[in-house]
Amino acid sequence: DTGVSQDPRHKITKRGQNVTFRCDPISEHNRLYWYRQTLGQGPEFLTYFQNEAQLEKSRLLSDRFSAERPKGSFSTLEIQRTEQGDSAMYLCAGQGPHANTGELFFGEGSRLTVL
Amino acid sequence: KQEVTQIPAALSVPEGENLVLNCSFTDSAIYNLQWFRQDPGKGLTSLLLIQSSQREQTSGRLNASLDKSSGRSTLYIAASQPGDSATYLCAPYNTNAGKSTFGDGTTLTVKP
Repeated sequence: DTGVSQDPRHKITKRGQNVTFRCDPISEHNRLYWYRQTLGQGPEFLTYFQNEAQLEKSRLLSDRFSAERPKGSFSTLEIQRTEQGDSAMYLCAGQGPHANTGELFFGEGSRLTVL
Repeated sequence: KQEVTQIPAALSVPEGENLVLNCSFTDSAIYNLQWFRQDPGKGLTSLLLIQSSQREQTSGRLNASLDKSSGRSTLYIAASQPGDSATYLCAPYNTNAGKSTFGDGTTLTVKP
């Protein structure tokens, strides 16, 4: 158990709907990362937070994607107007307390299927 | 931009064999490198973390080596078991980028 939990584990939605994923790291994780993984590929970086500050967003994140980490605790990733190409596993990872020495600890992921 | 390559993409071995998985990366300015295991439909489980100042790290039947200057890491699995069947991913962490970059993994099948 990594201590990182994600919810929901599975989400099936119709194209055009909005979806939101939540990640709860442990309190020591001052950094929080979101990655996306499609079948047969390695995880691709989406964005990361240092406490509540969003420090970087990948070009993979279109304007339909938004992420927040209020108060530096849990984080949410919202996808608006979903498209079939958004179907993937969305992975959250915590790191800390020392970002440059610590391991990444992943949650079990949230699998999105867009019909 | 960091690029990570893992060879082979897939590997099938009989139980009991020793095996080596390879990981190469283009940007050697890394702070650490982490090896993960992923079972189908699941998240990533951390196996080993090697700091840039280290050459090797061992955990049970697993041994990971790192040659930062040449941009290479290997994961050695001794006496493989069917339960080792999974996808293995490597991820170097670049301080200047503030993130880890993943390869596409090696899918290992160990036959009883």
